[in-house]
Amino acid sequence: GAVVSQHPSWVICKSGTSVKIECRSLDFQATTMFWYRQFPKQSLMLMATSNEGSKATYEQGVEKDKFLINHASLTLSTLTVTSAHPEDSSFYICSAPRQGWNSPLHFGNGTRLTVT
Amino acid sequence: AQSVTQLDSQVPVFEEAPVELRCNYSSSVSVYLFWYVQYPNQGLQLLLKYLSGSTLVKGINGFEAEFNKSQTSFHLRKPSVHISDTAEYFCAVSENTGNQFYFGTGTSLTVIP
Repeated sequence: GAVVSQHPSWVICKSGTSVKIECRSLDFQATTMFWYRQFPKQSLMLMATSNEGSKATYEQGVEKDKFLINHASLTLSTLTVTSAHPEDSSFYICSAPRQGWNSPLHFGNGTRLTVT
Repeated sequence: AQSVTQLDSQVPVFEEAPVELRCNYSSSVSVYLFWYVQYPNQGLQLLLKYLSGSTLVKGINGFEAEFNKSQTSFHLRKPSVHISDTAEYFCAVSENTGNQFYFGTGTSLTVIP
């Protein structure tokens, strides 16, 4: 069964509103989680690395005020898309290393965000 | 529900030998298929993808994969591996509705000198 749970699986929101996506590790602790974004027919793009108890590390070009990441516990990281616009519509996926930040990853099933 | 199966969790192979990493999926709708690689100390990198057209897809670093619709498989192959190919390989499937994206559990490829 899934070891990384991502919720919701899909969400539709109006432009200007904020949306929160949750990523939970179900049977292991994850001090690090990764957030990816995928555009249609393209590869995953790493957005940020979420670190428990400290600030997230954002990749170049990713707006940290736009995509708020909180990693408040060892099993939960959240990504909040603030003041969403249609161009934020995308597929967002989280992942967590099985053991330590450099180990192979477990993936969530992703969240399809549509901003109208 | 969709599922992606990578039967081999670990594959050791000698340098310059051929390798095949297996991937099977379950889906009743059209899909897009991907292989990603995670090198040590790095993030995910796209190796290759199948969206449509020719069922034999060539990717980076000499890898290729063949989409077999009847067998719902997308196996990754390389005729001669190098030490630098040691990494974790993930197969992924996206239904072409774009509403879900599924990863396999990964195959750890170790190339032995």
